[in-house]
Amino acid sequence: QKEVEQNSGPLSVPEGAIASLNCTYSDRGSQSFFWYRQYSGKSPELIMFIYSNGDKEDGRFTAQLNKASQYVSLLIRDSQPSDSATYLCAVNERGYSSASKIIFGSGTRLSIRP
Amino acid sequence: KAGVTQTPRYLIKTRGQQVTLSCSPISGHRSVSWYQQTPGQGLQFLFEYFSETQRNKGNFPGRFSGRQFSNSRSEMNVSTLELGDSALYLCASSLSGTGFTGELFFGEGSRLTVL
Repeated sequence: QKEVEQNSGPLSVPEGAIASLNCTYSDRGSQSFFWYRQYSGKSPELIMFIYSNGDKEDGRFTAQLNKASQYVSLLIRDSQPSDSATYLCAVNERGYSSASKIIFGSGTRLSIRP
Repeated sequence: KAGVTQTPRYLIKTRGQQVTLSCSPISGHRSVSWYQQTPGQGLQFLFEYFSETQRNKGNFPGRFSGRQFSNSRSEMNVSTLELGDSALYLCASSLSGTGFTGELFFGEGSRLTVL
């Protein structure tokens, strides 16, 4: 069973609409959750992180976390063509030591159509 | 402030050879993680180093190894290369050392092709 699950897409959303990206994780002990964006041919870059249950807003992006359901989501409002990318959900897991490691889902490809 | 630097950017090897990849983290970052990225498997965690110690390891065979030096620079080595090792190898550095792992800053990657 994969530790971090995402729908691979592609998810096609019209410009100006809300894009909704979802992620589930298996480790109940996970404490921090991240959304990375990766443009084609580029490296991932962090766009949001969330530690507590509920919503966290940053500009057009809102991250939502529900630890009871082991569910993380990312909403992108007023979607722009520049938002077309692969979105990677990432979760910190307890490693074999007291430190953590970050595990990535396989990503959801988002395409914003004009 | 310089970003994460990975060398070489591209390399071609043949089966059975070995390869060493290098990563210089952002100045002041003591944690370095390595990931393998392939179209089919996505980003897979290889290992993480902090203060010259391997703290975490992913589910890769022993052919994959790494180390970290006192200046936080890290190297990873793959021995007895197989065709399936062809991938983009990404290094990421982080400020955070314990507890909640902080943001990862990725390098541009080393693209390895095994023939």
